[in-house]
Amino acid sequence: AQTVTQSQPEMSVQEAETVTLSCTYDTSESDYYLFWYKQPPSRQMILVIRQEAYKQQNATENRFSVNFQKAAKSFSLKISDSQLGDAAMYFCAYRGYNTDKLIFGTGTRLQVFP
Amino acid sequence: EAGVTQFPSHSVIEKGQTVTLRCDPISGHDNLYWYRRVMGKEIKFLLHFVKESKQDESGMPNNRFLAERTGGTYSTLKVQPAELEDSGVYFCASSQIRGGSGNTIYFGEGSWLTVV
Repeated sequence: AQTVTQSQPEMSVQEAETVTLSCTYDTSESDYYLFWYKQPPSRQMILVIRQEAYKQQNATENRFSVNFQKAAKSFSLKISDSQLGDAAMYFCAYRGYNTDKLIFGTGTRLQVFP
Repeated sequence: EAGVTQFPSHSVIEKGQTVTLRCDPISGHDNLYWYRRVMGKEIKFLLHFVKESKQDESGMPNNRFLAERTGGTYSTLKVQPAELEDSGVYFCASSQIRGGSGNTIYFGEGSWLTVV
């Protein structure tokens, strides 16, 4: 069975600095998708970034980028130029190629200090 | 365009009572999902509807949980009778298509359930 592990329950960063959130996963599949979701307090959980496993190039979305290491089964999220609005719970998730079911990690709470 | 909406946002009930959570997916989304996060743990899949049919209900914990999606529009998740371990956040999500790289799953804010 696939599993997703987020080993950092909480992280903090100063505004304008860079922070990296860790995520590792376990799977025997070769094709799959990885996601980072963000849930601000009392707000909807939104998709931050997605990575297809067959793509070697790391995904980027503005200030958000990932470091995808397929062999190591690692999928970290880097947030550059952190802003106060980035404060949220961040969930790493896995989805198999032929399934709709997301498998989540336990989440990392990110605090951003001015 | 309205997002996925869930009701109620918070609910506190006594052990043994019944609670019904409602989810309105994004209009036109045939796929509807329920997930649950027990405090401090990972978000876990409960079930997946395609229109009004249950595509996958492998995550439903036991028969105290009943999900319906009559008419393929909104969905309800009933917990009866509620137990203490049912406390957590229940997320609903929807998507337009299934599988593939183009499938984006949109989540609601979640319904917080506390059983006392």
